[in-house]
Amino acid sequence: EPEVTQTPSHQVTQMGQEVILRCVPISNHLYFYWYRQILGQKVEFLVSFYNNEISEKSEIFDDQFSVERPDGSNFTLKIRSTKLEDSAMYFCAGGAGISYNEQFFGPGTRLTVL
Amino acid sequence: GENVEQHPSTLSVQEGDSAVIKCTYSDSASNYFPWYKQELGKRPQLIIDIRSNVGEKKDQRIAVTLNKTAKHFSLHITETQPEDSAVYFCAASIGYGGSQGNLIFGKGTKLSVKP
Repeated sequence: EPEVTQTPSHQVTQMGQEVILRCVPISNHLYFYWYRQILGQKVEFLVSFYNNEISEKSEIFDDQFSVERPDGSNFTLKIRSTKLEDSAMYFCAGGAGISYNEQFFGPGTRLTVL
Repeated sequence: GENVEQHPSTLSVQEGDSAVIKCTYSDSASNYFPWYKQELGKRPQLIIDIRSNVGEKKDQRIAVTLNKTAKHFSLHITETQPEDSAVYFCAASIGYGGSQGNLIFGKGTKLSVKP
């Protein structure tokens, strides 16, 4: 059964540095999402992406964040200038739409900002 | 925007007993309610979901009920086993036509099943 994959599994960076988190969604998915989960807390929505553009974003997703689907397969989340409070697990998720609302999550990237 | 409340935050049961986790939502337009199970350090795994046109759904030992009028939904696990121990998250979203809305999650319930 196909699964969403994410790289890297763990990213350590210095405050102020740029990071790019990568995701490879399931091939027939049309809707793509990024969520984050601070350690011990709930999963929070960041942004959704459909038809090569952002369809919705949360208050967390400020100007420091951007998303891209550069080559039709990868889906990336960029944080331009990381802050300590960006430390979290970042999950990519995808869904097929077409009357189905199921979202399937990747294994996550643990981002640690020092 | 949508707000999802989840109770209890922790739940401890003996193996073989039932466990019930409850969630409420605020946006009456929400029409899709999934439940995810997350083991330590792992991704959230979809275990069951329900749409607003259905009041109850069952899958083996797991069932979910939805009360649209009261805006609450519940997860029921019967005959619990130690491997059911995990954090369970409820979520709500709005999907319409062929589109798919983002998920708003509850804070999670840590279920411990004691052998």
